[in-house]
Amino acid sequence: KNQVEQSPQSLIILEGKNCTLQCNYTVSPFSNLRWYKQDTGRGPVSLTIMTFSENTKSNGRYTATLDADTKQSSLHITASQLSDSASYICVVRGSNQAGTALIFGKGTTLSVSS
Amino acid sequence: EPEVTQTPSHQVTQMGQEVILRCVPISNHLYFYWYRQILGQKVEFLVSFYNNEISEKSEIFDDQFSVERPDGSNFTLKIRSTKLEDSAMYFCASNGGTSKNIQYFGAGTRLSVL
Repeated sequence: KNQVEQSPQSLIILEGKNCTLQCNYTVSPFSNLRWYKQDTGRGPVSLTIMTFSENTKSNGRYTATLDADTKQSSLHITASQLSDSASYICVVRGSNQAGTALIFGKGTTLSVSS
Repeated sequence: EPEVTQTPSHQVTQMGQEVILRCVPISNHLYFYWYRQILGQKVEFLVSFYNNEISEKSEIFDDQFSVERPDGSNFTLKIRSTKLEDSAMYFCASNGGTSKNIQYFGAGTRLSVL
């Protein structure tokens, strides 16, 4: 069954610290993997998107990695800010899979405190 | 920056009533989607729409649901006879244009079925 699992479920860090969020997936065949940031009560906003051949991609203080062999991805946030407090969702797109389009993980809730 | 807009932001309805959720995708986008997120749960894919027809749909998208692009700008989701379990946040998304793979999400419509 196509699944996306994220860990930890929630995380609290101090402002200025770094953190890494994990994503494991079993989606096959695989097309691409995305990380979204979802603020409370808002729609998800795309941070990065990576295809099979990409190992790392950065977007400002966000760096995503992908190991397509082990089906794992991580999102590293450096020098966290209060505005980073949100849910971070790993999303995998399978290819040629009717009825799935994007498969969402449950997300990691990040709280950045001062 | 162009964005996906959804109306209303909150819809309250009685069980058994029909509701129509409205979305205005980004103007040069060609692919449109509906997702839902039950409170505390992950985002789930409902349906994708391209070239005036459904291209993919999930098991959730049963006969009670329908989508329409009634004109050149709106994309609607109709729930024919709402059930209590339809209460959720419904997100519209679109992609296409220069950022073909990135889906842009609207802020969502919170549907409350009483």
